[in-house]
Amino acid sequence: DVKVTQSSRYLVKRTGEKVFLECVQDMDHENMFWYRQDPGLGLRLIYFSYDVKMKEKGDIPEGYSVSREKKERFSLILESASTNQTSMYLCASSSPLFNYGYTFGSGTRLTVV
Amino acid sequence: KNEVEQSPQNLTAQEGEFITINCSYSVGISALHWLQQHPGGGIVSLFMLSSGKKKHGRLIATINIQEKHSSLHITASHPRDSAVYICAAANRNKLVFGAGTILRVKS
Repeated sequence: DVKVTQSSRYLVKRTGEKVFLECVQDMDHENMFWYRQDPGLGLRLIYFSYDVKMKEKGDIPEGYSVSREKKERFSLILESASTNQTSMYLCASSSPLFNYGYTFGSGTRLTVV
Repeated sequence: KNEVEQSPQNLTAQEGEFITINCSYSVGISALHWLQQHPGGGIVSLFMLSSGKKKHGRLIATINIQEKHSSLHITASHPRDSAVYICAAANRNKLVFGAGTILRVKS
C-alpha cells in the first residue's frame, strides 16, 4: 500500500525551539508539499519541491524552511517556533507520471506553548 | 472572492439521503480533486477528474469545464460518510483548495 508517512502525529514544543517535521513517501514521486490547515482558513501551501535539493516558496513561507536531500524525504523546519505556528501540518506528494494524483500524509498536529 | 468556492459550508443529512456538494472555480485547471478528511486529520483523495463523470461505490463526481463547476454526490448516505469534503483545483503541480464542506449524516 503506497503511502506518505509523517513522523509524528502530535507534537508539543516550546516557543523558540527549532522544530523538524519529517515526511517520507514510498512512491518515488517527484513532487512533495507541505501545507498547514487552520480553522476558517483551510489548507495553505507553505513550501513545495519538484526534485531533490529543489524548493519553492508557497503562499505562507515566512517562519519556515525546508530540506529535500533525498527524493523520498521532505522536511519542514520551524527555525524558532512561535505560538502562531500552532496548527495541523500536512505533507503530500504527487507525480506527473501518475497524472499529478495526490497522496496525503495523516498530518502532524503541532502545539507551540 | 476565493478562487475555489464550495457550497454548502455545513450539511446535515439523514441516513439514506442523496447528498450533493458543489464546487465552483475561477482559475484555469488541469484537474479537479475531491478530498475527504475525517476527524483526526488525514486526507484521502476521492477523485481526480478533468472531464465528465467518475463513480466509485456510492460516490459520484462530475465536472463541467465550460461552467467551471464540479459536484460531488453521495447516494444512500451513511453516518460513516460524516467528514469534511474538500475540492481543490489543480494547475499542474499546485492545488488551490476550497474551504471545505462539513457533512454530518445522522442515523
